[in-house]
Amino acid sequence: DSGVTQTPKHLITATGQRVTLRCSPRSGDLSVYWYQQSLDQGLQFLIQYYNGEERAKGNILERFSAQQFPDLHSELNLSSLELGDSALYFCASSVGPREGDTQYFGPGTRLTVL
Amino acid sequence: DAKTTQPPSMDCAEGRAANLPCNHSTISGNEYVYWYRQIHSQGPQYIIHGLKNNETNEMASLIITEDRKSSTLILPHATLRDTAVYYCIVRVANAGKSTFGDGTTLTVKP
Repeated sequence: DSGVTQTPKHLITATGQRVTLRCSPRSGDLSVYWYQQSLDQGLQFLIQYYNGEERAKGNILERFSAQQFPDLHSELNLSSLELGDSALYFCASSVGPREGDTQYFGPGTRLTVL
Repeated sequence: DAKTTQPPSMDCAEGRAANLPCNHSTISGNEYVYWYRQIHSQGPQYIIHGLKNNETNEMASLIITEDRKSSTLILPHATLRDTAVYYCIVRVANAGKSTFGDGTTLTVKP
């Protein structure tokens, strides 16, 4: 158990809909990262927040957005969902953006778009 | 971030050492080498990391060549539960994101 929690574990929805994925980082960690893992693309970094502020951006679509709240939990919002958005979404956390910072991953949310 | 090259798959006999290689010939001086593994569709699990020196923890050992262009992850006594995809990542210090490649699928056989 990494100490990172994600809810829900599974999510099934239809195209065009909007969903919110939630992540609680390990106690004491200030950074949260979101990754997408689909069958044909492997693990792709989406975005990172540090202490409430966006710090790094990866291959995140404009239809997707994220935020980190004062209590440090984070939410990833996916809107206008398409079939291709079906994937595992992982959240990771770390103490902060310092040298040798280790990320610890949550169990993931499996999103299925029908 | 530097790109890494790993063999797509490897087999190992249970109880034997598993040596997983990784090439990172374009690594720069401030990039760390990280190893993660992913079992089925679970979240990636941190194994070990290093900068220049060899490292050892309760899970594995990491051997980094002197020129830092390659490294080897060693699982000293592989078990069936070590069957997983192993990712070698090099990451710039102070930068959050990790770029995961295709990894090596390690299959431990009885």
